Amino acid sequence: SQQGEEDPQALSIQEGENATMNCSYKTSINNLQWYRQNSGRGLVHLILIRSNEREKHSGRLRVTLDTSKKSSSLLITASRAADTASYFCATDEVGSGNTGKLIFGQGTTLQVKP
Amino acid sequence: DAGVTQSPTHLIKTRGQHVTLRCSPISGHKSVSWYQQVLGQGPQFIFQYYEKEERGRGNFPDRFSARQFPNYSSELNVNALLLGDSALYLCASSLKSLPDRDLYGYTFGSGTRLTVV
Repeated sequence: SQQGEEDPQALSIQEGENATMNCSYKTSINNLQWYRQNSGRGLVHLILIRSNEREKHSGRLRVTLDTSKKSSSLLITASRAADTASYFCATDEVGSGNTGKLIFGQGTTLQVKP
Repeated sequence: DAGVTQSPTHLIKTRGQHVTLRCSPISGHKSVSWYQQVLGQGPQFIFQYYEKEERGRGNFPDRFSARQFPNYSSELNVNALLLGDSALYLCASSLKSLPDRDLYGYTFGSGTRLTVV
């Protein structure tokens, strides 16, 4: 079963605008990760935020984590056409032991129009 | 340095057949995980292997099995294929079983697109 719920399911913006995607999850986590997927191919790791962190930046990406609300958001600033992809959050649950199991949300499909 | 490589890239099989998918992790990575991604959904965890031992198994039937070889490459086997097994199968590698948990994510391959007809 999938833990993450992502919102919105689809997002269409103009190049240069900011894109915000949200992820909610159900259980306690060690960390939360965001991945990008182009055209149903492999996933690319974007950023990881630990459970004791509240905000993290990487280039044009900003991730926030609110463990009290069990939610995270991914902000892409000054979007480009090349950012067009599906974005997934994935959680590493407390209690997953040594399995290394990630639980993915259903993803947000982002379209950036030139 | 080569990334995670998966073969084949595409595969068409008939119901009831068996399939073997292969994955070579990044050089030096000892952990391989397998995920199934059905169209329109997020990936679902199938297995993780570390140092040739199974470390985790997702909620998949016994028709799914895997193994890891001494060179850390891995195979995913699916028997008695069903139409519902049609999906993108993703392999991910990491240096450790828990990829420096809290520091790094996984590196994924481009996947094998399996179609069962």
